[in-house]
Amino acid sequence: EDKVVQSPLSLVVHEGDTVTLNCSYEVTNFRSLLWYKQEKKAPTFLFMLTSSGIEKKSGRLSSILDKKELFSILNITATQTGDSAIYLCAVDRGGGSNYKLTFGKGTLLTVNP
Amino acid sequence: ETGVTQSPTHLIKTRGQQVTLRCSSQSGHNTVSWYQQALGQGPQFIFQYYREEENGRGNFPPRFSGLQFPNYSSELNVNALELDDSALYLCASSLGRTGELFFGEGSRLTVL
Repeated sequence: EDKVVQSPLSLVVHEGDTVTLNCSYEVTNFRSLLWYKQEKKAPTFLFMLTSSGIEKKSGRLSSILDKKELFSILNITATQTGDSAIYLCAVDRGGGSNYKLTFGKGTLLTVNP
Repeated sequence: ETGVTQSPTHLIKTRGQQVTLRCSSQSGHNTVSWYQQALGQGPQFIFQYYREEENGRGNFPPRFSGLQFPNYSSELNVNALELDDSALYLCASSLGRTGELFFGEGSRLTVL
């Protein structure tokens, strides 16, 4: 059975801090790993990673994948209160005709002013 | 905003009842996937519909069923509701079966 484990489950930081969120996975026929931000209800897409060692960046957020050790990290630098959210990691199993994501439980990030 | 709309946003049912949740996909998207997110958990895949046919199913019993219409909108039906069915039900549309998912705001179901 596919498995995605995120750590920590929750994290409280102060504005300006840098945070690192972790995601480890076990999946048959790995195709991609995705990060989502969930503020209230709808998860919004952050990154899709398919290749090891290539960092993806978007503003203060960045992410990298290690396919040998089966994990990914999401970094957020100079955190702001608007970064407070649940960050979800998901993996997509390839080899099929559908796009079924297996999600972790998420990391609840709280950024205090 | 993703252009994916779901209704109703909130509803309360009692055990044993049936519920229908609706989803309108983003314009041009022909694939809809449904996920269940219980409190404190990540979303779990229920099933996917592509061109009006079920195209993959997660580990959910047959009382969870769905439909996709010619305009690519979709319904999720749950019969014989149980307390554990209380969750946020998320719909996501995509262009094609392996396209990027765009999530709606979800329907929060409470079963008493």
